Amino acid sequence: DIQMTQSPSSLSASVGDRVTITCRASQGISNYLAWFQQKPGKAPKSLIYAASSLQSGVPSKFSGSGSGTDFTLTITSLQPEDFATYYCQQYNSYPPTFGQGTKLEIK
Amino acid sequence: QVQLVESGGGLVKPGGSLRLSCAASGFTFSDFYMSWIRQAPGKGLEWLSYITNSGSVIYYADSVKGRFTVSRDNAKNSLYLQMNSLRAEDTAVYYCARDESLQAWGQGALVTVSS
Repeated sequence: DIQMTQSPSSLSASVGDRVTITCRASQGISNYLAWFQQKPGKAPKSLIYAASSLQSGVPSKFSGSGSGTDFTLTITSLQPEDFATYYCQQYNSYPPTFGQGTKLEIK
Repeated sequence: QVQLVESGGGLVKPGGSLRLSCAASGFTFSDFYMSWIRQAPGKGLEWLSYITNSGSVIYYADSVKGRFTVSRDNAKNSLYLQMNSLRAEDTAVYYCARDESLQAWGQGALVTVSS
């Protein structure tokens, strides 16, 4: 199975900050990488698919990049509603696997 | 808009069975692969299964292979997860999602396996 490792596992930031979350795959996955946001008690929400394609309705403050094994999710101008847990997922090969999550907290 | 609604969750004893349903609307259901994912309390996301749009190919995670069965009824715009031989470690919120990249999710159904 392909292992997905996110870093950091947790992150403290302030409103207005720009943050970057990294996701590394244990082997190449081309651009078959998605990012999700999850708030407590809610279902995950798709932000990015195909590594850099913004999901419809998601603000452009979210952006994704990368290919192969290294990927990043960048969030600019943090607002209170952006504090949540973020997951990456590879869907290049069976079984699809998720990163362990990155909890973004308010400083 | 795309909507996925799970139902059928609840409390079941170890060794018991439960069937979850996922009702889809707002898109052409028969055009899309569908997936099941779960999340144990306080834990991360675990992919369980996906089924091709025709239902001809289904993949399962090793953790549920042989115990869970996924099916779909394109005429009813519905996806199903039959769960047998349930264990305490199957306690989780179960989500259905659209396609392999999980671009739309349901609200989830809580399954609790406990005596």
